[in-house]
Amino acid sequence: EVQLVESGGRLVEPGGSLRLSCAASGFTFRNYNMNWVRQAPEKGLEWISYISSSGRTIYYADSLKGRFTISRDNAKNSLYLQMNSLRDEDTAVYFCARDSSVAADFDHWGQGTLVTVSS
Amino acid sequence: QMTQSPSTLSASVGDRITITCRASQSVSSWLAWYQQKPGKAPELLIYKTSTLQSGVTSRFSGSGSGKEFNFTISSLQPEDFATYYCQQYNTYSAWTFGQGTKVEIK
Repeated sequence: EVQLVESGGRLVEPGGSLRLSCAASGFTFRNYNMNWVRQAPEKGLEWISYISSSGRTIYYADSLKGRFTISRDNAKNSLYLQMNSLRDEDTAVYFCARDSSVAADFDHWGQGTLVTVSS
Repeated sequence: QMTQSPSTLSASVGDRITITCRASQSVSSWLAWYQQKPGKAPELLIYKTSTLQSGVTSRFSGSGSGKEFNFTISSLQPEDFATYYCQQYNTYSAWTFGQGTKVEIK
């Protein structure tokens, strides 16, 4: 069974940093592209970043303005999101999602981890 | 940009409903639909415009091309009351979700 488990979300002050993790199991992690998607409270879904299976190709949403960094460790079956210069508007549930590699869709999602940016 | 409509839809069990997503530019067939229930992660329902994800009920269907896409539930069931999102992949190597459609009980 495919499982994605996010961790690392917590309350952080504006301007602070946080690193989220996503532990993958039940599939060959190194063969799949991965993504981070977030959802602000009572809002819709926002794609924020993509990383290819090898880690060589990375994309970000324009709205992030270089504050976030996606990475992965295929030996540890883990995906990461380093978030710097956090703002109030970064408050959201952050999901990791597996790219199906069929048609640019996300076929498995984690349960999400809540990041709250507030003083 | 994806414009999804309506934002809220009130319907009864057994109704046929359709949700529409319009793209600002052609997205070829890279269009997917997701269902999200409160407090849960989204679940993939349809990919590549009209292909049903494994294990998803055939009450759900997708259609469209170019800039306009539709998601239809043929006969609404109690477990279908949820929020639905379309998602596109564009040539700028980015994914965009529609604003979501909340399907409520009338």
